[in-house]
Amino acid sequence: GNSVTQMEGPVTLSEEAFLTINCTYTATGYPSLFWYVQYPGEGLQLLLKATKADDKGSNKGFEATYRKETTSFHLEKGSVQVSDSAVYFCAFESGEYGNKLVFGAGTILRVKS
Amino acid sequence: DGGITQSPKYLFRKEGQNVTLSCEQNLNHDAMYWYRQDPGQGLRLIYYSQIVNDFQKGDIAEGYSVSREKKESFPLTVTSAQKNPTAFYLCASSRLAGANTGELFFGEGSRLTVL
Repeated sequence: GNSVTQMEGPVTLSEEAFLTINCTYTATGYPSLFWYVQYPGEGLQLLLKATKADDKGSNKGFEATYRKETTSFHLEKGSVQVSDSAVYFCAFESGEYGNKLVFGAGTILRVKS
Repeated sequence: DGGITQSPKYLFRKEGQNVTLSCEQNLNHDAMYWYRQDPGQGLRLIYYSQIVNDFQKGDIAEGYSVSREKKESFPLTVTSAQKNPTAFYLCASSRLAGANTGELFFGEGSRLTVL
């Protein structure tokens, strides 16, 4: 069935380190892919998205490339900041019911100064 | 400012009591959703609605009920039949047609604790 597998956290990095959070998905067809971020005590907000194969989504220094061959959408940032500490969710649009999104379990990122 | 408002932010209830969580949006979005968030499990869809007076069960609808009498409002009732209701509940909305239909806009959540 439809599912998203994300790298388990927490991920702990020092400021200015390189970040990768892995995400792979199982779905029929080629759905739109998303990364959402949840800061402490808040709801989720869209970080970036890609709607077709080889698209690269980017925002606030984060990037992710839609890899059809490996069904992956890994999140990267070249230099993390303390303010990036949050929970990151990978998701895809299942298409069964319009905008129904299937989410991964989330990866906690902690950045130390 | 446009957005989604959930209330209350924190709620405590005794076992056997029903409780209703409010969700209001002023984004003029057609679709609204309720998700449940538990540690280590991500978000799971409870109910969603694509149009007024219509809604569909998500993956974990048992023990929950919703209504969609107005476009702006999508309240969720957690009934006494829900066996493990302590969780963080998130409401979201989205467009159904046109650009950016895949993007969900979330409220800040309601944390329900059953004592």
